[in-house]
Amino acid sequence: DQQVKQNSPSLSVQEGRISILNCDYTNSMFDYFLWYKKYPAEGPTFLISISSIKDKNEDGRFTVFLNKSAKHLSLHIVPSQPGDSAVYFCAASVAGFQKLVFGTGTRLLVSP
Amino acid sequence: GAVVSQHPSWVICKSGTSVKIECRSLDFQATTMFWYRQFPKQSLMLMATSNEGSKATYEQGVEKDKFLINHASLTLSTLTVTSAHPEDSSFYICSAPGPRWEQYFGPGTRLTVT
Repeated sequence: DQQVKQNSPSLSVQEGRISILNCDYTNSMFDYFLWYKKYPAEGPTFLISISSIKDKNEDGRFTVFLNKSAKHLSLHIVPSQPGDSAVYFCAASVAGFQKLVFGTGTRLLVSP
Repeated sequence: GAVVSQHPSWVICKSGTSVKIECRSLDFQATTMFWYRQFPKQSLMLMATSNEGSKATYEQGVEKDKFLINHASLTLSTLTVTSAHPEDSSFYICSAPGPRWEQYFGPGTRLTVT
């Protein structure tokens, strides 16, 4: 049972445009959400997170939006750069528990 | 940010042998570490939670006797794949929690069992 889903396995965007990566979850107990970037044969790198008490968090070019009623979050990257090309995973956790449940990942390709 | 290392980064072993993978937090202490497994083009699946000074907690479906975890110090956790078989070939990644809820991940270990 996949509690965190990323329905788009891949996304192609032109450099300078906005990249929007989506993530849905089913477990209403989740209250902390994170986005990670991963290159092949490397560990994930933390990008940005959001607590369920917020609906938006911004860090430079990265913004995460959370819609609790829809159990949906999204990562916006503006402007997209070729170096952003990687696999992006969303992850969720329950407060007090450090275990992360990962989504299936979306491969982002930013072309020059 | 915090650094987590893994050793080895790549290992090939013969079927039936055991392999030990080390996970170290280099500049911080971690009473808890996590071990994940990733198959090609799939998500990271949590295998177990490693607790310093006590037994590891395994996720449902993960064989405790096959994947031995030892968290002997505040900076080191080890995962030993015992009697490895080709189906154990995978990418194993460890992580340690940061001061907030983020996790810091090691670079991963690719295990190939022939």
